Amino acid sequence: QQQVKQSPQSLIVQKGGISIINCAYENTAFDYFPWYQQFPGKGPALLIAIRPDVSEKKEGRFTISFNKSAKQFSLHIMDSQPGDSATYFCAPLSGGFKTIFGAGTRLFVKA
Amino acid sequence: DAMVIQNPRYQVTQFGKPVTLSCSQTLNHNVMYWYQQKSSQAPKLLFHYYDKDFNNEADTPDNFQSRRPNTSFCFLDIRSPGLGDAAMYLCATSISRGGSYEQYFGPGTRLTVT
Repeated sequence: QQQVKQSPQSLIVQKGGISIINCAYENTAFDYFPWYQQFPGKGPALLIAIRPDVSEKKEGRFTISFNKSAKQFSLHIMDSQPGDSATYFCAPLSGGFKTIFGAGTRLFVKA
Repeated sequence: DAMVIQNPRYQVTQFGKPVTLSCSQTLNHNVMYWYQQKSSQAPKLLFHYYDKDFNNEADTPDNFQSRRPNTSFCFLDIRSPGLGDAAMYLCATSISRGGSYEQYFGPGTRLTVT
């Protein structure tokens, strides 16, 4: 699944800090750019998503930044909390159904 | 609450013994997916149903089959499980109308092959 490269693989952030996770993609057919959050033993859940006609979307403490020319998008978690400790996946999608998940980023927020 | 339900949550099967995993949904979504997630890896799409139309990913092994008898239910059949098929299997749903591409995931079934 080299079409999607997610970094970093793991991230440790102090409580109150900013967590930044990046995703680079190759397929220009992708037309929906979500981030999913997964806790151990649970299925992924949509956190926030963006379409390619906007460059940024903010929902509470979570922001997606999208750079179409660079084929990259990132997740910013402001004021990170211990409850944010989870694995995060970018999962760009094309044609409404075909999803390619990134390798995942394990975030640990230290109290 | 509307949701995606997977049964069983844990399944142990023997090498080569067929196994069926089930998924049901109360969301009335017309698209259903099956993903395989191995330990510490990303979910990998196996196939999806758009209504009754089955769409197989090119690299999904023939050992994996699926059935969708109605809108609410979808089954994953592994005909001859190998040790490499041990994984979490995730079912997801989405709706193709209204421009929303969000996928709703179930809690998964953890398959162990002995």
